[in-house]
Amino acid sequence: DAKTTQPTSMDCAEGRAANLPCNHSTISGNEYVYWYRQIHSQGPQYIIHGLKNNETNEMASLIITEDRKSSTLILPHATLRDTAVYYCIVRPINTDKLIFGTGTRLQVFP
Amino acid sequence: DAGVTQSPTHLIKTRGQQVTLRCSPKSGHDTVSWYQQALGQGPQFIFQYYEEEERQRGNFPDRFSGHQFPNYSSELNVNALLLGDSALYLCASSLVSSTGAFFGQGTRLTVV
Repeated sequence: DAKTTQPTSMDCAEGRAANLPCNHSTISGNEYVYWYRQIHSQGPQYIIHGLKNNETNEMASLIITEDRKSSTLILPHATLRDTAVYYCIVRPINTDKLIFGTGTRLQVFP
Repeated sequence: DAGVTQSPTHLIKTRGQQVTLRCSPKSGHDTVSWYQQALGQGPQFIFQYYEEEERQRGNFPDRFSGHQFPNYSSELNVNALLLGDSALYLCASSLVSSTGAFFGQGTRLTVV
């Protein structure tokens, strides 16, 4: 079973920041937080991951709370092409296996 | 770099038949994982291959089997197809113990 909880859906205006929350209250010290997204009819796309510290790359920022029980994915300037299902995944360090939940459907509107 | 490529893109089979799906990993990757995604659901892990051996397996019956070749490409075989096997089958490649997996576009299997 997925070890994360995400809202089913969210809306965001184009050009605004999209903040996608994820709860992973049972995460252990040897587990990463990963984010993937899946645009309709395509394979999932890796976005970002982190262990304890906040992370940023060209796509997004990942904010992990100090107790590591929740995190937020931030898309700083959402575009229409960011409309997708976003998956928050907890992955043990010693495995490549990804356990997907049902994700958050993000709709970016003009 | 072609990324992860899967073939065929679409396939229609009849109940009871057997099917083989193929995956070529991203250049430089040595590990291949397979996932099944039913409509409206997140992908479910089937198994993973590394060094031509199955390294991990999800909760799927023995009808699902696989193979990895010396060039790291992989096949997924499903025997005795059921209507419930209709799904998008995704292949993901990575470097062993690396931090990211790259997915292909998937094979859409329809069982009638």
